[in-house]
Amino acid sequence: EAQVTQNPRYLITVTGKKLTVTCSQNMNHEYMSWYRQDPGLGLRQIYYSMNVEVTDKGDVPEGYKVSRKEKRNFPLILESPSPNQTSLYFCASNPGGPLFDQPQHFGDGTRLSIL
Amino acid sequence: GENVEQHPSTLSVQEGDSAVIKCTYSDSASNYFPWYKQELGKRPQLIIDIRSNVGEKKDQRIAVTLNKTAKHFSLHITETQPEDSAVYFCAASRGSTNAGKSTFGDGTTLTVKP
Repeated sequence: EAQVTQNPRYLITVTGKKLTVTCSQNMNHEYMSWYRQDPGLGLRQIYYSMNVEVTDKGDVPEGYKVSRKEKRNFPLILESPSPNQTSLYFCASNPGGPLFDQPQHFGDGTRLSIL
Repeated sequence: GENVEQHPSTLSVQEGDSAVIKCTYSDSASNYFPWYKQELGKRPQLIIDIRSNVGEKKDQRIAVTLNKTAKHFSLHITETQPEDSAVYFCAASRGSTNAGKSTFGDGTTLTVKP
């Protein structure tokens, strides 16, 4: 089954303790992206990757890191999490291409609580 | 950068009525406009999309219109049903320069009353 898999689904942690949220897709998609969703603010793009070893900042990249060492994986790293990063996070992928005109496939989300 | 505004933020209709959600965008180079539906506790899922070379697209009870000159696009749901109740997001993205950046509207919570 074609899917985007995120882990963990839920995490409660404390300020300053480094954490990684993994994202994997099995559709051989070139493009992957991370979003955070906060009430009333829709989905805001954190980082995206057009292909392996190519990453770019979205609208809210501060406090986050990403890497794209292989096509299927796109982990989101919070080196020193703070309470304002408490949010619902979604990973997404799509085939990519020069027109970038394909829908994104979303994972089930990761709910992070930073105390 | 791109700015997408979505209205209304909440919409309540009676079952069987139509619902219309509107979005405006700022970047004239945007070329792809999807609409996603997000049910409570679930991931966003595509319901319909339109590309910049098309003015209107329809899929059963759902239609999307695009006015490139005015930079706005709209979602139309006819004969609404209670299962249409969800949050709907519009988005805009572009190819070529800055390909990969996607900007979403803030969402519209649609409630369909039986």
